[in-house]
Amino acid sequence: GAVVSQHPSWVICKSGTSVKIECRSLDFQATTMFWYRQFPKQSLMLMATSNEGSKATYEQGVEKDKFLINHASLTLSTLTVTSAHPEDSSFYICSATQGQGFTYEQYFGPGTRLTVT
Amino acid sequence: GQNIDQPTEMTATEGAIVQINCTYQTSGFNGLFWYQQHAGEAPTFLSYNVLDGLEEKGRFSSFLSRSKGYSYLLLKELQMKDSASYLCAPLDSNYQLIWGAGTKLIIKP
Repeated sequence: GAVVSQHPSWVICKSGTSVKIECRSLDFQATTMFWYRQFPKQSLMLMATSNEGSKATYEQGVEKDKFLINHASLTLSTLTVTSAHPEDSSFYICSATQGQGFTYEQYFGPGTRLTVT
Repeated sequence: GQNIDQPTEMTATEGAIVQINCTYQTSGFNGLFWYQQHAGEAPTFLSYNVLDGLEEKGRFSSFLSRSKGYSYLLLKELQMKDSASYLCAPLDSNYQLIWGAGTKLIIKP
């Protein structure tokens, strides 16, 4: 149980275009979803936290108008990278938590590798 | 501020035991996670400690001392597939995971 999927697993796009990444919790309802970015050999960087039906909370330094997050249901959150540039090339990972009980364990999706040319 | 300190890289031999240490400073504390991350993949859950002491789960064990702000992950009977990065991530008072850069573990035959 507790499976999170992401789509697409990798994407190549041209500079200036927008890319949408989907994150789904397949067998549980995710009260909270997280979006991370990870550059090579660096730690996970939290970009934003989103709760179903609410606006996402963005971390300092993350442009909310550039990284649009929509958490429309308890099983789906989307991250749209608008007007992508080569510096946005990174590994984007979502995670989800049921936010209940003892552990607040985050279940991670497999990640999406974005390359902007 | 919030800070995680882990060794950057460790090397061990197949079949041996290795201990990866982690010290942390956070605003509040609601437990500590260990995750494993293979290159190019997302992290996978290994363990969660919220009380002091040792939690054993198969070949992996995790220890926590809240008063010392210290945890370690112990890996026994190392296998080549254990070559990965190991991330220590405490939960702060807002139930937000604080991530360090992790420890890259290299297993040699």
